[in-house]
Amino acid sequence: AQRVTQPEKLLSVFKGAPVELKCNYSYSGSPELFWYVQYSRQRLQLLLRHISRESIKGFTADLNKGETSFHLKKPFAQEEDSAMYYCALEPCSNDYKLSFGAGTTVTVRA
Amino acid sequence: NAGVTQTPKFRILKIGQSMTLQCTQDMNHNYMYWYRQDPGMGLKLIYYSVGAGITDKGEVPNGYNVSRSTTEDFPLRLELAAPSQTSVYFCASSTDDFWGIGNQPQHFGDGTRLSIL
Repeated sequence: AQRVTQPEKLLSVFKGAPVELKCNYSYSGSPELFWYVQYSRQRLQLLLRHISRESIKGFTADLNKGETSFHLKKPFAQEEDSAMYYCALEPCSNDYKLSFGAGTTVTVRA
Repeated sequence: NAGVTQTPKFRILKIGQSMTLQCTQDMNHNYMYWYRQDPGMGLKLIYYSVGAGITDKGEVPNGYNVSRSTTEDFPLRLELAAPSQTSVYFCASSTDDFWGIGNQPQHFGDGTRLSIL
């Protein structure tokens, strides 16, 4: 069975500082990885997925199969980045069932 | 466009009572899901459906039942509420991968906070 680990429950950074949220996974195959975000008083929503290789709101995430990691990074954090972030894994392309990490609460201070 | 709508938003049940959590989506998505989230934990899949008339168990299905009679609706039923079912419940939906670019994102509802006392 797959497992997603987000080792940091809370992360506090200053505005303009870099921020990195860690995500490690265990799965024997080639999964698809996602980052979902929940801003205050909003619904959980997709931030980005590794297969798209895109940068959303300044965030990027690189899938490292050797280290089984999918860390989320942003070089200059903004106050509006304060939110709860979840890393999620889908075992294979046609599985459609996500396994979520426990989440990391990010607070960006002025 | 409402997206995924869950009702109720909050509910308190007594042990042994039953209730149905409603979920409806207006995006014509084939896939629908129910998750629960316990404090400090990630979301865990309870049941999912790949289309009307088709449902299957997720990671934590015990104590729950679902049905999918229409594309829009995917209710979750608790037959005999137990304190261990105190949680926040999320419904989500997604569509097929039409474009070969990977699975489409899941769209979530606001959640239902359920307490069983």
